[in-house]
Amino acid sequence: DTEVTQTPKHLVMGMTNKKSLKCEQHMGHRAMYWYKQKAKKPPELMFVYSYEKLSINESVPSRFSPECPNSSLLNLHLHALQPEDSALYLCASSHRVLNTEAFFGQGTRLTVV
Amino acid sequence: AQSVTQPDIHITVSEGASLELRCNYSYGATPYLFWYVQSPGQGLQLLLKYFSGDTLVQGIKGFEAEFKRSQSSFNLRKPSVHWSDAAEYFCAVGARAGGTSYGKLTFGQGTILTVHP
Repeated sequence: DTEVTQTPKHLVMGMTNKKSLKCEQHMGHRAMYWYKQKAKKPPELMFVYSYEKLSINESVPSRFSPECPNSSLLNLHLHALQPEDSALYLCASSHRVLNTEAFFGQGTRLTVV
Repeated sequence: AQSVTQPDIHITVSEGASLELRCNYSYGATPYLFWYVQSPGQGLQLLLKYFSGDTLVQGIKGFEAEFKRSQSSFNLRKPSVHWSDAAEYFCAVGARAGGTSYGKLTFGQGTILTVHP
C-alpha cells in the first residue's frame, strides 16, 4: 500500500467555521508534511512532522493548527480562515525526513466563503 | 536558501515527439532532486529522484533525468511522448541533513505540457 489518503476531497467553509483536514498513511512512514497549493502555483511547505513531533513550521498563521496524534495520522485544524486561504491542501509522507521520496495524497480542495 | 527554476512555463509537443523539460537548482551542496507530475486538481506523483551515484536516473512511465553538477541542472527527458503525458511537471530540490532547511522540499514553478495528436 503506497497510498496517502486525504479527507475530505472538497470542503467549503465560512470564515467563522472550524473544520479539520485529515491525512492517513499506512506505509510505516515517520515523516509527514502539509503543503498548500494555490491555483497555477507550485506547492508550498507549511509543516513537517518527524516522529510525531513538529520539526518545521514555515511561519504559518495560527489559524492553521497541525496535529499528529500518531505515526499514521496527520490533521490540519482550521479556524477563522480568510478567503485567500482557499487552495488545494496536500499531505505527504516519507520513510524518514526526505532521505527517500515523499508520497503525496490527492489533496483537499478548500474554499473559504 | 535552496531554489529551483523551471524556465519553460508551457511546452507543446506532438505525440511521438521527444521531450526535454529543463530544471536548474540553487543549493550549497549536492541536493536531493525530484521530478513530480500533477494532473489538474490532483496530487503529485513522483516520476524519479536523484540522491547520489549514477547521474542518469530512470523513472516511471519511460522518463529519465540527468544530474549535471557543473550546470546545476536536472533535466527531464522522454524519447516519445504519449497523449496521456499531458500534465504539469514540477522539479523539486530537497535539503540534505544538517541544515536548517532539512525536510523542506522546494518546488519550481512548474511546466505545463500540452500534447498534440
